Amino acid sequence: GNSVTQMEGPVTLSEEAFLTINCTYTATGYPSLFWYVQYPGEGLQLLLKATKADDKGSNKGFEATYRKETTSFHLEKGSVQVSDSAVYFCALSDTQGGSEKLVFGKGTKLTVNP
Amino acid sequence: GAVVSQHPSRVICKSGTSVKIECRSLDFQATTMFWYRQFPKQSLMLMATSNEGSKATYEQGVEKDKFLINHASLTLSTLTVTSAHPEDSSFYICSARQPAGELFFGEGSRLTVL
Repeated sequence: GNSVTQMEGPVTLSEEAFLTINCTYTATGYPSLFWYVQYPGEGLQLLLKATKADDKGSNKGFEATYRKETTSFHLEKGSVQVSDSAVYFCALSDTQGGSEKLVFGKGTKLTVNP
Repeated sequence: GAVVSQHPSRVICKSGTSVKIECRSLDFQATTMFWYRQFPKQSLMLMATSNEGSKATYEQGVEKDKFLINHASLTLSTLTVTSAHPEDSSFYICSARQPAGELFFGEGSRLTVL
């Protein structure tokens, strides 16, 4: 079945450092890909998404490019801030069975120190 | 953005009792809601898809009689864990789909069964 493999954390960075969180997927067909973020005490929020190969999703300085050839959707940010500390989830949409579902990775906890 | 609220955020109960968790979409009508379960350091696992006014669709391996889902209105879905046991202790998360298609997640409910 479809699955998402995400870089294990936790990840600890200093402010203004470069961030990469790796995400690879296994899927039949052409799923949409997502990154969700969960700030402490809050629900998951959609950070960005890409719906087809070579699409780049971007939001709040974060970017991820849908790479079909490497089945990857790595999350990057050039300069992280303390406020980016959160848990990040990579996910894909699975439409098998006639209804759309999300399949999540395990999440990567990011801590940014001042 | 749209808000989805879960209640309670934390609940502790004795083994053998039943616990109800509510999921409300506060500013939109959600025809579809989803219930997830998250174990420590694991991804979110979809338990069931709940459509307003009809029976929930459960994922393979999820006990229907154990996890009762009711979606009686367009803004409320409930998950009842019946005859809870310590192995049911987990973090339960709901999400609701807006008519336009975007998903919004609740803050999650942590259940501890003693």
